[in-house]
Amino acid sequence: EAQVTQNPRYLITVTGKKLTVTCSQNMNHEYMSWYRQDPGLGLRQIYYSMNVEVTDKGDVPEGYKVSRKEKRNFPLILESPSPNQTSLYFCASGRRGAFFGQGTRLTVV
Amino acid sequence: EDQVTQSPEALRLQEGESSSLNCSYTVSGLRGLFWYRQDPGKGPEFLFTLYSAGEEKEKERLKATLTKKESFLHITAPKPEDSATYLCAVQTGGSYIPTFGRGTSLIVHP
Repeated sequence: EAQVTQNPRYLITVTGKKLTVTCSQNMNHEYMSWYRQDPGLGLRQIYYSMNVEVTDKGDVPEGYKVSRKEKRNFPLILESPSPNQTSLYFCASGRRGAFFGQGTRLTVV
Repeated sequence: EDQVTQSPEALRLQEGESSSLNCSYTVSGLRGLFWYRQDPGKGPEFLFTLYSAGEEKEKERLKATLTKKESFLHITAPKPEDSATYLCAVQTGGSYIPTFGRGTSLIVHP
């Protein structure tokens, strides 16, 4: 079954404490991306990756890092989270008709 | 700057009452327009991709159409299980970053 798996699903953390949200896909897609979804703003892309070791900024990359060391994994790193990064995060795999993960609800206090 | 506007923001229908959702866009060089369904607390689920004006695609009670300035998602005889937020996104030439609309929240009453 085609899947995009994110972990954790829910996370509450404190300002400044580094965290990583993992994302894994089993469809052998080259393209993967991260989004955040905020009420009234819709889905906005944070970073995307065209292939292993190839990443680029999306619309809202500030405060985030990514890495793509393997094709199936695309973790999102918040090195010093702040309250304005409280959001619902989605990982997606595939360029056209992307498959989305179930989401990670992050709260930074 | 690419813009995508969805209307209405919210729509309430009775079961069986057909209607349409609109996605209007202002972009240069459309490469693709995407429709998704999103249930509360879940990730968007891909429905359709449309590439050129005049194209239509269907899936069960849903039919998506595309013109040069807008797309419609027609829902025929909806059922309560069609209740969800429907998202539209566009991708333009030279960009790998899709632009999403804010969605239409659809509620279908039995």
